[in-house]
Amino acid sequence: DVKVTQSSRYLVKRTGEKVFLECVQDMDHENMFWYRQDPGLGLRLIYFSYDVKMKEKGDIPEGYSVSREKKERFSLILESASTNQTSMYLCASSSRPQIHNEQFFGPGTRLTVL
Amino acid sequence: EDQVTQSPEALRLQEGESSSLNCSYTVSGLRGLFWYRQDPGKGPEFLFTLYSAGEEKEKERLKATLTKKESFLHITAPKPEDSATYLCAVQETGGFKTIFGAGTRLFVKA
Repeated sequence: DVKVTQSSRYLVKRTGEKVFLECVQDMDHENMFWYRQDPGLGLRLIYFSYDVKMKEKGDIPEGYSVSREKKERFSLILESASTNQTSMYLCASSSRPQIHNEQFFGPGTRLTVL
Repeated sequence: EDQVTQSPEALRLQEGESSSLNCSYTVSGLRGLFWYRQDPGKGPEFLFTLYSAGEEKEKERLKATLTKKESFLHITAPKPEDSATYLCAVQETGGFKTIFGAGTRLFVKA
């Protein structure tokens, strides 16, 4: 069974704090993704990575950065959290080639920024 | 602009009342269309991939179909445990991104 785990289910942070969201997958997948999910907007891609130390911007990268030092781990960093980053954050992974391959999602981290 | 639109936003059914969810898409070229199920507080779970118009796939009470402009998820004789949000997503040729629709929330009452 593919397993994607995220470090926290719920997180509450203050405006201006630096926030780290961690994601680990155990299926040796090459591709990893970070999305945010907001009501009525669907899932929007923040960043993705197709290999260790490689990263590509998605649709909404502003205010975020990522790190992929090991194949199984993909971290999302909010450099200075703001209230408009309150959202559900979902990590996903897929095997190469990406084409025709479904993504496996983690349980999500609900982040609240006060 | 590439986009994926799902309708209705929400659907309330009685147990056993069959219906369909719609996903219409606009992309220059379709590589694959995906259906996911998402339960409250959880990540999406993969259901189907469809690649070309005319293709159909089935799993228990669910059947997904694909045309050149839209996909349908047919639910036959639904049960309360089918209650969830169903997400449609599209991958276009020549690109790397998967574009998700906003989802249809399905409620099945016993």
